[in-house]
Amino acid sequence: GQNIDQPTEMTATEGAIVQINCTYQTSGFNGLFWYQQHAGEAPTFLSYNVLDGLEEKGRFSSFLSRSKGYSYLLLKELQMKDSASYLCAVRDGDYKLSFGAGTTVTVRA
Amino acid sequence: GAVVSQHPSWVICKSGTSVKIECRSLDFQATTMFWYRQFPKQSLMLMATSNEGSKATYEQGVEKDKFLINHASLTLSTLTVTSAHPEDSSFYICSANSDREWGEQYFGPGTRLTVT
Repeated sequence: GQNIDQPTEMTATEGAIVQINCTYQTSGFNGLFWYQQHAGEAPTFLSYNVLDGLEEKGRFSSFLSRSKGYSYLLLKELQMKDSASYLCAVRDGDYKLSFGAGTTVTVRA
Repeated sequence: GAVVSQHPSWVICKSGTSVKIECRSLDFQATTMFWYRQFPKQSLMLMATSNEGSKATYEQGVEKDKFLINHASLTLSTLTVTSAHPEDSSFYICSANSDREWGEQYFGPGTRLTVT
């Protein structure tokens, strides 16, 4: 099985940067995903890492260290619309996703 | 991009009745779809993997006789909650793998089930 940990809540100011950490312990690893989920809605795909290193995608970047079982999602130039829950998910060899509990990010003016 | 739809978006039913939720891939074929359940302020929990033309694979602790899954075509999977109880009230979300090389899952908009 998978054990995935991420902080419960984070608060930041509009225009700032926030880093959401995710640690995992897995029985099989076939990629790490980050999703954004607004309340009452389905998750939307943000990023994917399968090799170590940083993947940059506009204001969002994601980093992976497989040896440390660690990833982070970096949100830059925060906007009010970025207030949401951010889910770290690990995929196993059967293409199943296991999700962390999610980190609720609140962006304040 | 790929679109996954769900119907209905919300449903209220009485305890003891059954409810069917549909999940459709609108512009791509999905040989595999996944069904998740999400309780308030909790993360998504995988219930089962739905494979076209074969029986679904259920996760540990999920009752296959209570949550009936049918994947009759490459674009449609259905989840039927039988003899629903108030504790089945939850947000049910389906997903399907994209055909990109990294195969992220596209999620449907979810179905809010309330059992009274």
